[in-house]
Amino acid sequence: GESVGLHLPTLSVQEGDNSIINCAYSNSASDYFIWYKQESGKGPQFIIDIRSNMDKRQGQRVTVLLNKTVKHLSLQIAATQPGDSAVYFCAETPIGTYKYIFGTGTRLKVLA
Amino acid sequence: EAGVAQSPRYKIIEKRQSVAFWCNPISGHATLYWYQQILGQGPKLLIQFQNNGVVDDSQLPKDRFSAERLKGVDSTLKIQPAKLEDSAVYLCASSLSSQYFGPGTRLTVT
Repeated sequence: GESVGLHLPTLSVQEGDNSIINCAYSNSASDYFIWYKQESGKGPQFIIDIRSNMDKRQGQRVTVLLNKTVKHLSLQIAATQPGDSAVYFCAETPIGTYKYIFGTGTRLKVLA
Repeated sequence: EAGVAQSPRYKIIEKRQSVAFWCNPISGHATLYWYQQILGQGPKLLIQFQNNGVVDDSQLPKDRFSAERLKGVDSTLKIQPAKLEDSAVYLCASSLSSQYFGPGTRLTVT
């Protein structure tokens, strides 16, 4: 299928290395943040989320870090695998809403 | 658990024609969203429903786009008449706490 994000920033990592994908969010009133993975021809897939009362949250091979001072979110993927190749989006939710505002994605390419 | 279903998966129409997309959310999810995703960009919210009521439609081009969610379950999104710049993937999502997306409908307007 046609690729998502042909002109997006690209991060290339070697298989087995760790990946760090960064995102700057816009609204200091946002209190919920989510990372999504989107493969070609598919809808975004939930990876991990974090609330604003936390700085760090870990999942299976993934960690999300939140720095509210500089409105920065990062996704760390440990031991990156070929199946991790996709476009990654962060999203923020302003407090009191269920509205998701998506950032510009980053394409992750895993090199064998 | 079944995911969010959307149909059709692909649609090609000429400008000024009409088109409709259908979404069946995950059972029990009260909140339903329609997004437009233009190639190379993140999804942009068009409309958000809570049950069968509209919560946010501030970015819906209401002169040509309409959406409804009768009975608070399935939803349809319509474009009439379509323009070339409407070419995009239209994503439906639903949530109870976390948001889950359907596969999307890829619309090409020629």
